[in-house]
Amino acid sequence: KQEVTQIPAALSVPEGENLVLNCSFTDSAIYNLQWFRQDPGKGLTSLLLIQSSQREQTSGRLNASLDKSSGRSTLYIAASQPGDSATYLCAVNNYGQNFVFGPGTRLSVLP
Amino acid sequence: NAGVTQTPKFQVLKTGQSMTLQCAQDMNHEYMSWYRQDPGMGLRLIHYSVGAGITDQGEVPNGYNVSRSTTEDFPLRLLSAAPSQTSVYFCASSYSTSQPGELFFGEGSRLTVL
Repeated sequence: KQEVTQIPAALSVPEGENLVLNCSFTDSAIYNLQWFRQDPGKGLTSLLLIQSSQREQTSGRLNASLDKSSGRSTLYIAASQPGDSATYLCAVNNYGQNFVFGPGTRLSVLP
Repeated sequence: NAGVTQTPKFQVLKTGQSMTLQCAQDMNHEYMSWYRQDPGMGLRLIHYSVGAGITDQGEVPNGYNVSRSTTEDFPLRLLSAAPSQTSVYFCASSYSTSQPGELFFGEGSRLTVL
């Protein structure tokens, strides 16, 4: 059974820092990995989708990488801003399976 | 495009009452799903559908029913509400037919069962 973990559970950084969020999964035979952002009381917003054949995806200040052999993905946020404060979740699906979600990392970017 | 629309946003029920959470999407997505989000438990899949007329159970299906009569709509029914069903419910859809691709979520429905 696929299990997804995220470290750290919470992170507080000053504005302007570059930061890395980690996602680990136990079954490396994945089909997709997706990173989401969730603001308090809101739904999940898709940030990046990495397919199994890809190594990374970029969108603006966000870069997500995928290393299937080690069961890891990282989300890199460059030049963090207070507006980046949110919970970040990763989700993984294996072939023929639904997405399994990690518990999330709660990020606070201080002005 | 409105994307994925959920109604109601908030609902309070008494134990034993029934209700339906509505989910509609206008992106012509074949795959639709319902999740519940609870503190310390994360997001867990309740039911999903890969097309009209096809539904299947997820990780936590007990106490919930679904149907998929059209591509656009995927309602979630609580048959006899219990306090353990107090949660935030999210509907999500994806364009893929054979395997969930990029998921798009609604804003959520917050349910309290007294």
